[in-house]
Amino acid sequence: NAGVTQTPKFQVLKTGQSMTLQCAQDMNHNSMYWYRQDPGMGLRLIYYSASEGTTDKGEVPNGYNVSRLNKREFSLRLESAAPSQTSVYFCASSRREGPTGELFFGEGSRLTVL
Amino acid sequence: QKEVEQNSGPLSVPEGAIASLNCTYSDRGSQSFFWYRQYSGKSPELIMFIYSNGDKEDGRFTAQLNKASQYVSLLIRDSQPSDSATYLCAVILSGSARQLTFGSGTQLTVLP
Repeated sequence: NAGVTQTPKFQVLKTGQSMTLQCAQDMNHNSMYWYRQDPGMGLRLIYYSASEGTTDKGEVPNGYNVSRLNKREFSLRLESAAPSQTSVYFCASSRREGPTGELFFGEGSRLTVL
Repeated sequence: QKEVEQNSGPLSVPEGAIASLNCTYSDRGSQSFFWYRQYSGKSPELIMFIYSNGDKEDGRFTAQLNKASQYVSLLIRDSQPSDSATYLCAVILSGSARQLTFGSGTQLTVLP
């Protein structure tokens, strides 16, 4: 089983460029999440989708948009990238719809904004 | 004050020793607590969760929770070099968002 798949795994952008990080899960999970991880900051929640058709802001949503395309797919878009968005981005999923700590993470996408 | 705090380490223990990882949280209403392990360059992996005061054991791992002191810990017995990783404490806060909040992690090195 693939679990949670993220693409791309590496990306370099120039300031002001846009891009979309793709995430797909094959575990029939209900909720999906986007986190970013920066040195010394731990994982911080950007957006989440508790179920198909719903999305909500997390702790650090500014500069990002998301789309829950269907039950399997949850994408994260940077409309105008900034150097402060240089980070490792993790997508995660859970079978539960409500608040949960039982998350399955993808391998991560390393983004550098110059 | 951070909502979930961990000593960043690094923490070094010899092979075979007990590694003790600690975490404190600020929200007294929190009910659910989790430990994730993250190897360098890899994604986090859930290894333990605990909801009730006291100890919960799973193999070489023991999670300990003390809600009165707002303290959760992870003990790793008979530590192995393969346990070398960053350990992330995570808590579901009781506020309106009620989403999982992570500490910054403790880096553990087990020396052969």
